[in-house]
Amino acid sequence: QKEVEQNSGPLSVPEGAIASLNCTYSDRGSQSFFWYRQYSGKSPELIMSIYSNGDKEDGRFTAQLNKASQYVSLLIRDSQPSDSATYLCAVKGLTGGGNKLTFGTGTQLKVEL
Amino acid sequence: DAMVIQNPRYQVTQFGKPVTLSCSQTLNHNVMYWYQQKSSQAPKLLFHYYDKDFNNEADTPDNFQSRRPNTSFCFLDIRSPGLGDAAMYLCATSRSGWGNQPQHFGDGTRLSIL
Repeated sequence: QKEVEQNSGPLSVPEGAIASLNCTYSDRGSQSFFWYRQYSGKSPELIMSIYSNGDKEDGRFTAQLNKASQYVSLLIRDSQPSDSATYLCAVKGLTGGGNKLTFGTGTQLKVEL
Repeated sequence: DAMVIQNPRYQVTQFGKPVTLSCSQTLNHNVMYWYQQKSSQAPKLLFHYYDKDFNNEADTPDNFQSRRPNTSFCFLDIRSPGLGDAAMYLCATSRSGWGNQPQHFGDGTRLSIL
């Protein structure tokens, strides 16, 4: 079992729709969860972080965390073509002294006109 | 703006010829990381420094080494690059490793091997 799992996609949504990206993780001791956006050929860019169960909203982005189910998701409302990118879920646990992130392989999102 | 800066953006080297990639930061963060990312794969942590304390990943090849001469700079040395080392190399920093501190990435260096 991979430590952090994401559906590779591509996930295609029409412009203006809600995109829902999902991530599961195996380490129950995981403490912090991050979503990064990565455009093709570029480096990852932090867009959301969440540490407590429930929802956290920032503009068009909402992160949802359920530690009991070991599940974290990212919702993008009013999706725009500029949101087309790969979204990486990253989890920080207690391994490696708490310094390390474990990344999923990412979900490719395509927002279609 | 405080930043993580990687140089060069693109590096071409010959098979077996040593190469050094550099990373600098103006964030004054304690932790600096080096990742390797190949196409359609997750970033793979090679090693990280917590201040001067070097932490190597168990599966990082001996071919890869790193230096952190001061807080601001960190270097990735590839002693004898092979074709399989062609990848994007990402430098990241965080204020501290613990707790909820996120990692901030530089723009990366894309390494090609001839």
